[in-house]
Amino acid sequence: EAGVVQSPRYKIIEKKQPVAFWCNPISGHNTLYWYRQNLGQGPELLIRYENEEAVDDSQLPKDRFSAERLKGVDSTLKIQPAELGDSAVYLCASSTTPNYGYTFGSGTRLTVV
Amino acid sequence: GESVGLHLPTLSVQEGDNSIINCAYSNSASDYFIWYKQESGKGPQFIIDIRSNMDKRQGQRVTVLLNKTVKHLSLQIAATQPGDSAVYFCAENLNSNSGYALNFGKGTSLLVTP
Repeated sequence: EAGVVQSPRYKIIEKKQPVAFWCNPISGHNTLYWYRQNLGQGPELLIRYENEEAVDDSQLPKDRFSAERLKGVDSTLKIQPAELGDSAVYLCASSTTPNYGYTFGSGTRLTVV
Repeated sequence: GESVGLHLPTLSVQEGDNSIINCAYSNSASDYFIWYKQESGKGPQFIIDIRSNMDKRQGQRVTVLLNKTVKHLSLQIAATQPGDSAVYFCAENLNSNSGYALNFGKGTSLLVTP
């Protein structure tokens, strides 16, 4: 079984540029999460989807971040414009039910210069 | 070896010894706890979980202990191997008005020396 697939693995952009991350969850996993992990820290939830509905986006900086999960499968997370402080690893995870049996992808390491 | 998790972020043990990684969680209402292992360049990997109605759970070479009285969680790794070198995170399930969320600690780096 393929795990959670994320792309790209690495991204370097200049500040004020847009960037997008893509996630393909495990087949059949209805719940999808985006997390941000700063260096030396634990992951922090940005947004949680149940199928195509964003059910928890309270920690998503909505002025510059957006996310979508069309058809309840793949998801994209976008930052526009990026700031230096956005440099982090962006992790996607999926599960069959909320919070149980999470599987994480390998993440996208974003560097904003 | 023993670590206080957030206060001692690095734990060094010799191969074959037992490791103990500790974690203090914040919310007395948390009802589910998970330990994750994260190797460099990879996402967190599930190790073991425990619900609040239990105080101990065992897996293969790993044991999680939960002390709800002092809001303390520990991960014990028996006969630590070089492949166990990684950062270990505890996570708690917080019930919030908007639904469930996992709250991760800062992690403890485990280094296994030959």
